[in-house]
Amino acid sequence: QQPVQSPQAVILREGEDAVINCSSSKALYSVHWYRQKHGEAPVFLMILLKGGEQKGHEKISASFNEKKQQSSLYLTASQLSYSGTYFCGTAPGSARQLTFGSGTQLTVLP
Amino acid sequence: AAGVIQSPRHLIKEKRETATLKCYPIPRHDTVYWYQQGPGQDPQFLISFYEKMQSDKGSIPDRFSAQQFSDYHSELNMSSLELGDSALYFCASSLEVGTTPGELFFGEGSRLTVL
Repeated sequence: QQPVQSPQAVILREGEDAVINCSSSKALYSVHWYRQKHGEAPVFLMILLKGGEQKGHEKISASFNEKKQQSSLYLTASQLSYSGTYFCGTAPGSARQLTFGSGTQLTVLP
Repeated sequence: AAGVIQSPRHLIKEKRETATLKCYPIPRHDTVYWYQQGPGQDPQFLISFYEKMQSDKGSIPDRFSAQQFSDYHSELNMSSLELGDSALYFCASSLEVGTTPGELFFGEGSRLTVL
């Protein structure tokens, strides 16, 4: 079942902060975050594992609330290069099937 | 560093024709995934392979089939193509991390256009 992301789109200026949310109706072992620029492949940002372990990007942080089956991605002091579509991915119960949310389109303006 | 290689990058086919996409994963990665992404859509999981065996199936049409070969490359075969099959097809590979997928490394994608 596909995770739900919010907001669908966000526009901000360089230096501003943004939060993208992801929630699932199923119990999660992990949440993954990817960014995709137009016409390009998704690029890995972060994995958050059950138990609190986090692996990924240095300048982007995230949280994972296992009980609520929710994750949030925090983009602070946004740069122009942060523009793109952000997808969360979940894999409830399988190590080999990552299902992406519908995406959040982030636009950073100068 | 070696990346995931997909071919062809672009493919144009007529309705009812067949198409084959190829994927060469990163060496020593044990899992291969196929995704379909329509315009403005999220990547839809099609199928995955673990150590050359089919693992999970997602929204893959019956007209599509896939396999992974002894050299670890994978092929996605699509028959009786329909207009709605026009999309960007991504292959990704990863190393399994316990009970969750590891970081997925995506290829640049194969853009299929069905006329």
